[in-house]
Amino acid sequence: RKEVEQDPGPFNVPEGATVAFNCTYSNSASQSFFWYRQDCRKEPKLLMSVYSSGNEDGRFTAQLNRASQYISLLIRDSKLSDSATYLCVVNVPNQAGTALIFGKGTTLSVSS
Amino acid sequence: GAVVSQHPSWVICKSGTSVKIECRSLDFQATTMFWYRQFPKQSLMLMATSNEGSKATYEQGVEKDKFLINHASLTLSTLTVTSAHPEDSSFYICSAGTPNSGNTIYFGEGSWLTVV
Repeated sequence: RKEVEQDPGPFNVPEGATVAFNCTYSNSASQSFFWYRQDCRKEPKLLMSVYSSGNEDGRFTAQLNRASQYISLLIRDSKLSDSATYLCVVNVPNQAGTALIFGKGTTLSVSS
Repeated sequence: GAVVSQHPSWVICKSGTSVKIECRSLDFQATTMFWYRQFPKQSLMLMATSNEGSKATYEQGVEKDKFLINHASLTLSTLTVTSAHPEDSSFYICSAGTPNSGNTIYFGEGSWLTVV
């Protein structure tokens, strides 16, 4: 089982739609969780951290279920500028301390 | 502005030659730097973790003699791809973090390597 697995994409939605991405992780010792956004041929950029209590940042809501080892991201009122690849990222312990492990990403395409 | 700078952004090299990629933390001292590789339409794969002043810790399957990592100072880590081959062509990206930055991880802009 891969360390971080995400919904296969792509997601093609119209502007204004609500879209949800799911992610599961395998290492129960994982300590922190994030969603990153990556635009084509660019470095990933932190979108938001994910907390057990759930957290919201504008149109974006992230949820974490530690028991199920499941993370989600909800985007409301999609904009054209939301088109990107969304990466589920988990901070896991390794022999060097901890490291960020990335999911394969889910591509979102928002059209007018 | 960028807090982690990576250089070069693009490089084309001949098969068999070596290429060095630099990763610099600009506004903080990075005790730990990470090197990732990303093939087209794939996820970022962690190659190694580099701690200042000590040997890098490589992930399983990554050849340490082929991907030389040096983290000689708190602001600079380098990745050298030795005897590069076309299959090494990829997007290489570094990230850096420090407890002083609240353990936030900052990414460099990435380096596109094409081996011909």
